Amino acid sequence: KQEVTQIPAALSVPEGENLVLNCSFTDSAIYNLQWFRQDPGKGLTSLLLIQSSQREQTSGRLNASLDKSSGRSTLYIAASQPGDSATYLCAVLTNQGGKLIFGQGTELSVKP
Amino acid sequence: EAGVTQFPSHSVIEKGQTVTLRCDPISGHDNLYWYRRVMGKEIKFLLHFVKESKQDESGMPNNRFLAERTGGTYSTLKVQPAELEDSGVYFCASRRYSGNTIYFGEGSWLTVV
Repeated sequence: KQEVTQIPAALSVPEGENLVLNCSFTDSAIYNLQWFRQDPGKGLTSLLLIQSSQREQTSGRLNASLDKSSGRSTLYIAASQPGDSATYLCAVLTNQGGKLIFGQGTELSVKP
Repeated sequence: EAGVTQFPSHSVIEKGQTVTLRCDPISGHDNLYWYRRVMGKEIKFLLHFVKESKQDESGMPNNRFLAERTGGTYSTLKVQPAELEDSGVYFCASRRYSGNTIYFGEGSWLTVV
């Protein structure tokens, strides 16, 4: 049974810091992995999607990596800003037509 | 292009009452999913429609929950009768048949008192 774990559960950093959010999954047989952002009271916004054959994806100040063999992904945020404050969720897709399995999320607070 | 829309955005009902949540997927998206997040827990899968057919309903918690997608367009999720533990956020998501990205709505926040 696939399980997704995110560490840390919460993180507070000063503005400008680079930071890394961690995600681990128990079954390496995944189709892809997605990182989402959720602002309070809002829905989920997809940030980055990494296919199982890829090692990383980049979008602006965000970089996500995937190591399927070790069951790990990281989301790197460069030069953090207060607007980055949100909950970041990692989810794996078990197969193309399947369902997403989510971690519990990391609540990020970036202080001005 | 409109995103995934959900209605109502917030609902407060008494234990024992019935609530129906609605989801309108992105036009042309055959795949429609329901997920929910209850307090303190991770987001969990409820079920998956492909057009009007239930592809996977393994996440539905019990028979108080009924999901439909008549005509393969919008979907409804009915909870009857609602219990306190049903409180949480119900997310709908959709995906194009051959697409990889799943698009989420803003959720329907349900409180059962």
